[in-house]
Amino acid sequence: GGIITQTPKFLIGQEGQKLTLKCQQNFNHDTMYWYRQDSGKGLRLIYYSITENDLQKGDLSEGYDASREKKSSFSLTVTSAQKNEMAVFLCASSISGQNQDTQYFGPGTRLLVL
Amino acid sequence: AQKVTQTQTSISVMEKTTVTMDCVYETRDSSYFLFWYKQTASGEIVFLIRQDSYKKENATEGHYSLNFQKPKSSIGLIITATQIEDSAVYFCAMRERNNNNAPRFGAGTKLSVKP
Repeated sequence: GGIITQTPKFLIGQEGQKLTLKCQQNFNHDTMYWYRQDSGKGLRLIYYSITENDLQKGDLSEGYDASREKKSSFSLTVTSAQKNEMAVFLCASSISGQNQDTQYFGPGTRLLVL
Repeated sequence: AQKVTQTQTSISVMEKTTVTMDCVYETRDSSYFLFWYKQTASGEIVFLIRQDSYKKENATEGHYSLNFQKPKSSIGLIITATQIEDSAVYFCAMRERNNNNAPRFGAGTKLSVKP
């Protein structure tokens, strides 16, 4: 078994602030993902990475940066937080192979921008 | 381009009954993977069941099963003998095999199981 941890669990920021969210997985999975979920809505892909130092843009990459410096970690930066923004950011990982692309999700980081 | 559509926003059923949640998808790839995930009220998302497009037999996992109709590009999730704790939001997802695109998710269906 393994686990995905996301830090922080809650993040309160100010308008215009640069905010960084971190994700760690010990599954030894190749691919990692960042999704945004607004209240009552589905998952929108921000960035994903198929291996260390790789970055692929999702549908919602504008306004975000990402970094995959190690296989086990994937960070997301909100480059300029928007006033009254409120969302949950979910990290996930998956492995290639027999159980290809079954995703395992972290608990999420809840963002509130004042 | 890949697309996943869940038309049922919410469903309410009585406990111990069977429910089917619909999902249709669009893809140009001849080989792909289909998934269902459950998001509980706490926000936790867990994998439930998957169907590989080249497999004709419908996948089953406990009281979850799939109704895979490839000609209709449809992958329904069937939950039998529903329990109160099945109340959650269910997401359908698809990943094309022959590229590095990430899985695409549907908008989700909220299931309420009443006693």
